[in-house]
Amino acid sequence: GAGVSQTPSNKVTEKGKYVELRCDPISGHTALYWYRQSLGQGPEFLIYFQGTGAADDSGLPNDRFFAVRPEGSVSTLKIQRTERGDSAVYLCASSSQQGAEAFFGQGTRLTVV
Amino acid sequence: DQQVKQNSPSLSVQEGRISILNCDYTNSMFDYFLWYKKYPAEGPTFLISISSIKDKNEDGRFTVFLNKSAKHLSLHIVPSQPGDSAVYFCAARGGSNFGNEKLTFGTGTRLTIIP
Repeated sequence: GAGVSQTPSNKVTEKGKYVELRCDPISGHTALYWYRQSLGQGPEFLIYFQGTGAADDSGLPNDRFFAVRPEGSVSTLKIQRTERGDSAVYLCASSSQQGAEAFFGQGTRLTVV
Repeated sequence: DQQVKQNSPSLSVQEGRISILNCDYTNSMFDYFLWYKKYPAEGPTFLISISSIKDKNEDGRFTVFLNKSAKHLSLHIVPSQPGDSAVYFCAARGGSNFGNEKLTFGTGTRLTIIP
């Protein structure tokens, strides 16, 4: 497809488990972003990649959260020892270059029970 | 600390009238502002943007106004159509020394267009 693709669209996991969320950006987009949106809030920045490197990871809430983009395309957001407070919609976005508008995927709804 | 604020959680407007959505910010280092529209179960869709060096940008039915001295921006939609019913997010880019690419979002305004 032509847009940003996120899988899975929904994920239910038990407290304490490990989860991986995947993002396929638009082909050729060098910049990739992860955001988290809780109910009634706007998206909250987590991390930004330019190519393979994390240019800004200041939004990751703690060391349970980690993201990679090993080949500069697909990215995976990894959450260890999940907590109920991690429940949210995780949004991925990509843009063609620095300064260009970002296009969002449909998000992954994570529910920790 | 909410650096981007949308103080109206909801707004209802008659079809054909003007919709005005407001947004306030506190960080003077923001250099670019964007509006996104979001339908349920979809990701936000980019609508319109404005650089901090401008005070107005227009694209069809959508116009964004920026008042830097007041740290205020607004989105005008005219005429409003039923398909405009969605949640609208104001976002600002920059605002830190870390790098200027991250977006800071407001909490959104749910716009309902009444036929």
